[in-house]
Amino acid sequence: GAVVSQHPSRVICKSGTSVKIECRSLDFQATTMFWYRQFPKKSLMLMATSNEGSKATYEQGVEKDKFLINHASLTLSTLTVTSAHPEDSSFYICSARDKALMRDRVMNTEAFFGQGTRLTVV
Amino acid sequence: LAKTTQPISMDSYEGQEVNITCSHNNIATNDYITWYQQFPSQGPRFIIQGYKTKVTNEVASLFIPADRKSSTLSLPRVSLSDTAVYYCLVAGGTSYGKLTFGQGTILTVHP
Repeated sequence: GAVVSQHPSRVICKSGTSVKIECRSLDFQATTMFWYRQFPKKSLMLMATSNEGSKATYEQGVEKDKFLINHASLTLSTLTVTSAHPEDSSFYICSARDKALMRDRVMNTEAFFGQGTRLTVV
Repeated sequence: LAKTTQPISMDSYEGQEVNITCSHNNIATNDYITWYQQFPSQGPRFIIQGYKTKVTNEVASLFIPADRKSSTLSLPRVSLSDTAVYYCLVAGGTSYGKLTFGQGTILTVHP
């Protein structure tokens, strides 16, 4: 299957600093990527939808100025956690849909997920 | 987006067949039913998707009754490595591209 790579896989940062997480689709083009957050023993929560060439769409309750998303190309989206605080510590996961498969909007609901990034803010 | 309900946890033993049922009473006509598997500290992995009746692949089977208000993921002859969280989702149509994860089912396979 298609591969989505996230980097870094884990990061520890000091409170008040910013951290950038990269999400790359390695063998397909992704017009749209999604960012999720997952706290321990909880389900994934969608944070935002990243659109190539346009502004990201944030879910209710997610601060767009704190979680900066840039979708610079069809294979790369970045999430920057600005002025991180301990409560931002979480598992961040991206996913991407294959642009080619999205032509058939109903038939395929498969998304490819990155391996996740464990962020710890100390 | 259609809401899904599935058991919080299930236990099984190696070699057994495991069936996880999911309810999605307000599924829309254009929605597909999709199942994902997630291991600790990893991103979810697509298992199977279906619209109606039965779908089978090399990993699992998916049974969907005619009213589509529920679905059952069947894992044949589970092994210890199948211990994971399994998520049932409905997506497609106007919700296409955006996946809403419910609580998932924690499956524990015992020796």
